[in-house]
Amino acid sequence: QVQLVQSGAEVKKPGSSVKLSCKASGDTFTKYIFNWVRQAPGHGLEWIGGNIPLFGTANSAQKFRGRVTITADEITSTAYMELSGLRSEDTAIYYCTSSPYCSGVNCHPDSWGQGTLVTVSS
Amino acid sequence: DIQMTQSPSSLSASVGDRVTITCQASQDIGKYLNWYQQKPGKVPKLLIYDATNLETGVPSRFSGIESGTDFIFTISSLQPEDIGTFYCQQYDNLPRQTFGQGTKVEVK
Repeated sequence: QVQLVQSGAEVKKPGSSVKLSCKASGDTFTKYIFNWVRQAPGHGLEWIGGNIPLFGTANSAQKFRGRVTITADEITSTAYMELSGLRSEDTAIYYCTSSPYCSGVNCHPDSWGQGTLVTVSS
Repeated sequence: DIQMTQSPSSLSASVGDRVTITCQASQDIGKYLNWYQQKPGKVPKLLIYDATNLETGVPSRFSGIESGTDFIFTISSLQPEDIGTFYCQQYDNLPRQTFGQGTKVEVK
């Protein structure tokens, strides 16, 4: 299980972009899948997208396609999520999560970062 | 995308009561379902993984079963510290995943 430490809170203007980071430690970075999940105030959990550093592949929820870029840097063991075209509805806590990459099966997500509050306000 | 329909959205029960929460997947997800508890201002805590397996350190009053595309989470004897919001999460095709809408549990 890796430990995940996320970057600090952000305040952004509508229309701008935000790039969040998630540094992993405690195990080999490429043994994991990294995901981004958000939670708007008073709302539930919403998957944004995820990245498999071993293959350099990324997927995102249809809702965010065209606005989100998910990347990973194996050298620094850091996952990134950039969200563009910010609007007030994007105000939320953004969580980085991880699951071991297990060939042929799905290993359950089991680690969460502490969360990053992103506030979008003019 | 796979949809997860979770019910009820909220419930209130007494200490010692048996509590059940259901998640229904829109298609077959095998055993690939987690259950989490989230308390206000906190990160979700994993309780059950692979539909039926209790995470290490989680009290045995929590359990999960699978029946086709229906998943049932049970608290056998509700305790005051069990208040919070519970979520299911399917992970049949990682990194793609979906969460249920959440169930807020209160103690009478």
